[in-house]
Amino acid sequence: KAGVTQTPRYLIKTRGQQVTLSCSPISGHRSVSWYQQTPGQGLQFLFEYFSETQRNKGNFPGRFSGRQFSNSRSEMNVSTLELGDSALYLCASSRDSDEKLFFGSGTQLSVL
Amino acid sequence: GESVGLHLPTLSVQEGDNSIINCAYSNSASDYFIWYKQESGKGPQFIIDIRSNMDKRQGQRVTVLLNKTVKHLSLQIAATQPGDSAVYFCAESFSNFGNEKLTFGTGTRLTIIP
Repeated sequence: KAGVTQTPRYLIKTRGQQVTLSCSPISGHRSVSWYQQTPGQGLQFLFEYFSETQRNKGNFPGRFSGRQFSNSRSEMNVSTLELGDSALYLCASSRDSDEKLFFGSGTQLSVL
Repeated sequence: GESVGLHLPTLSVQEGDNSIINCAYSNSASDYFIWYKQESGKGPQFIIDIRSNMDKRQGQRVTVLLNKTVKHLSLQIAATQPGDSAVYFCAESFSNFGNEKLTFGTGTRLTIIP
């Protein structure tokens, strides 16, 4: 069974640009969560999608958005990039009512 | 607000010895706890979990202990190996009618000394 797949693996952008990251969950998993990881900050919850609906949202500005498709694949978008958005963005999937998350390897975003 | 913290940011252990990684949580309503291991360049990997109706759970070479009285969680790794070197995160959540989400601690870096 394939794990959580995230693309691209690395991304370099400049301030003011926007970026879209993609995540394919484990087959059969309908919940997808996104986390931002920075040195010293640990993992900070961005949002969670379940059956194409945002079910939970963290404390991030509106520049961070996401969506989920009918096949459970998810994308997150960051607009008007800032230097502080440089981070590892992790996607995780889980079964319907299971809190146990399975993570992908992440997308390393660098904003110059 | 809720917070999950770690007592030590770094821990070095001799190969073959046992290691204990500690975690404190502040939300007394949390009823589910997980330990994750993150190796360099990879996403967090599930190690073991425990629900609040238990105080101990064992896996392969790992044991998680939960002390709800003092809101403390620990991960014990027996007979450590070089491959155990990684950052370990504890995470907590509480049942909220479908709105469960994990809150992670800042992590402890475990280094196994050969």
